Amino acid sequence: SQQGEEDPQALSIQEGENATMNCSYKTSINNLQWYRQNSGRGLVHLILIRSNEREKHSGRLRVTLDTSKKSSSLLITASRAADTASYFCATDNAGNMLTFGGGTRLMVKP
Amino acid sequence: DAGITQSPRHKVTETGTPVTLRCHQTENHRYMYWYRQDPGHGLRLIHYSYGVKDTDKGEVSDGYSVSRSKTEDFLLTLESATSSQTSVYFCAISDNNYGYTFGSGTRLTVV
Repeated sequence: SQQGEEDPQALSIQEGENATMNCSYKTSINNLQWYRQNSGRGLVHLILIRSNEREKHSGRLRVTLDTSKKSSSLLITASRAADTASYFCATDNAGNMLTFGGGTRLMVKP
Repeated sequence: DAGITQSPRHKVTETGTPVTLRCHQTENHRYMYWYRQDPGHGLRLIHYSYGVKDTDKGEVSDGYSVSRSKTEDFLLTLESATSSQTSVYFCAISDNNYGYTFGSGTRLTVV
């Protein structure tokens, strides 16, 4: 079963626009992580936010976490064509195992 | 990906045959994982290891076994491959601090 559910499942935007993806989960977590997957490749770790953190930044990425709503969002600012990929949230519920959501497919049009 | 390699990258096998996929790391990370990725299901955990000879089952472990005789190698075996095991298999490693590093995947087709 999937702990995290991303929304939307697919997103198409123009280069330069911001992209926002949301993740909801069901049980308490130690941390939540976001990954990117380019077509035909493995997943790449983007950012980790711990349960006692509310917001984190990394370059053009901004992640928020609301543990009361069991939700997180990933914002990519000033998107580029190279940001085209699938994005996954994953939750660590303790036990050193990540449970992944189904992903959001992002297309950034030049 | 740096520090983790999977082999083979692609494999076609017949139903009923045994298949072993290999994951090799050079990072000396304690934790290693096998996931499968299927359309509509995202990534699902098959088995994981938290040390040499220490392994445990994940969400979809039926039909799979694993072994870890050395820190750097984690093997996934399909004892008798079935068409439902056609998938892309990913290995991942972790030091429990900063998230997972994934391999490039093995695309397995069972015919």
